[in-house]
Amino acid sequence: AQRVTQPEKLLSVFKGAPVELKCNYSYSGSPELFWYVQYSRQRLQLLLRHISRESIKGFTADLNKGETSFHLKKPFAQEEDSAMYYCALKGSNYQLIWGAGTKLIIKP
Amino acid sequence: EAGVTQFPSHSVIEKGQTVTLRCDPISGHDNLYWYRRVMGKEIKFLLHFVKESKQDESGMPNNRFLAERTGGTYSTLKVQPAELEDSGVYFCASSQGLLGPLNEKLFFGSGTQLSVL
Repeated sequence: AQRVTQPEKLLSVFKGAPVELKCNYSYSGSPELFWYVQYSRQRLQLLLRHISRESIKGFTADLNKGETSFHLKKPFAQEEDSAMYYCALKGSNYQLIWGAGTKLIIKP
Repeated sequence: EAGVTQFPSHSVIEKGQTVTLRCDPISGHDNLYWYRRVMGKEIKFLLHFVKESKQDESGMPNNRFLAERTGGTYSTLKVQPAELEDSGVYFCASSQGLLGPLNEKLFFGSGTQLSVL
């Protein structure tokens, strides 16, 4: 089965604290994983993808095939990071399979 | 460049009525996707067009939903007759090539919030 699990619906941390948004997946082949973000009153946009191994806005995510995880991390949270974050997996037919999303709130 | 646009942004209809959602992808994008997020649940794939052809419609919930993309430009998603469980946010996204290659990504519209009363 192809599935993405984001166990936390809500994550609240203080500004300057580290952030880790969890994502686990189930996929029989070689997975392609993404993190999408939706800021307040903005549209969904790609944050990063595992294949490019990039760091965007200080966020990184490492694919761990042994643990079937793709957790999103940032060492020092900023208030502008408050948003809805979605982990997604590219399915076998080029569609995206989504997690339920985690709402991240950064407290001042 | 103009982004993906969706119309209307909100629609409130009564059960049994018909609603048509429209999506204008980025010009030149052959691939157009429809997704839906029902309240409290994950975003679900509905269907995928490549130009005017339906590449994959495995996510369409039932035959009350009809999607078209005449001429390979804009797309419409019609719900007829609408039911309460159809309420949610309908997203459209487009990409130039198929999702997956290193430089390919989806561009999303702002979504249509559909409320069926």
